[in-house]
Amino acid sequence: KNEVEQSPQNLTAQEGEFITINCSYSVGISALHWLQQHPGGGIVSLFMLSSGKKKHGRLIATINIQEKHSSLHITASHPRDSAVYICAVGRGVASGSRLTFGEGTQLTVNP
Amino acid sequence: DTGVSQDPRHKITKRGQNVTFRCDPISEHNRLYWYRQTLGQGPEFLTYFQNEAQLEKSRLLSDRFSAERPKGSFSTLEIQRTEQGDSAMYLCASSFWGSGYGYTFGSGTRLTVV
Repeated sequence: KNEVEQSPQNLTAQEGEFITINCSYSVGISALHWLQQHPGGGIVSLFMLSSGKKKHGRLIATINIQEKHSSLHITASHPRDSAVYICAVGRGVASGSRLTFGEGTQLTVNP
Repeated sequence: DTGVSQDPRHKITKRGQNVTFRCDPISEHNRLYWYRQTLGQGPEFLTYFQNEAQLEKSRLLSDRFSAERPKGSFSTLEIQRTEQGDSAMYLCASSFWGSGYGYTFGSGTRLTVV
């Protein structure tokens, strides 16, 4: 069993839909990261969380430390949101430690 | 600062050849990480540096792989005697240890071994 599990693996939505991607992990962490990867490989950091909730534009990330679970929500989805979304956890005593990644969720938003 | 730069973006090499990749991190960042990503998978940790010191190496990093960060700035990752299984995206990332800030990733180097 992977230390970081994401669901779903693939997600297709219509423009405007509310989207949720889930991440569960099985180890103690110092921080959880949500990342976005477009075709071509470059990875963009969306959020780093150690507790609670963060919001940036149409993106919201939440984490429940007790349940070892995090969710990434996209409101009013748009075709430009189509990408792979990756959950990763840092396991050091402070942020900046190496990351263990989930396998990613391929999101496709159709117009 | 233009972020984390990786060079080259793409590399095609014949099996058995040596290849070297370069990563230029954000100048203020003291930690530099190398990850490898195969198609359809999440990235896997290879190694990381704090300043010029290599603090950890994954078991994935066989004897054919070597990484350096000689002056605590840019880093190189060399693969000797490449094999087809080395074909992957090699990602570099940097961070400032203890700052509470996250990672910045480079665009990656895609290696194809033919």
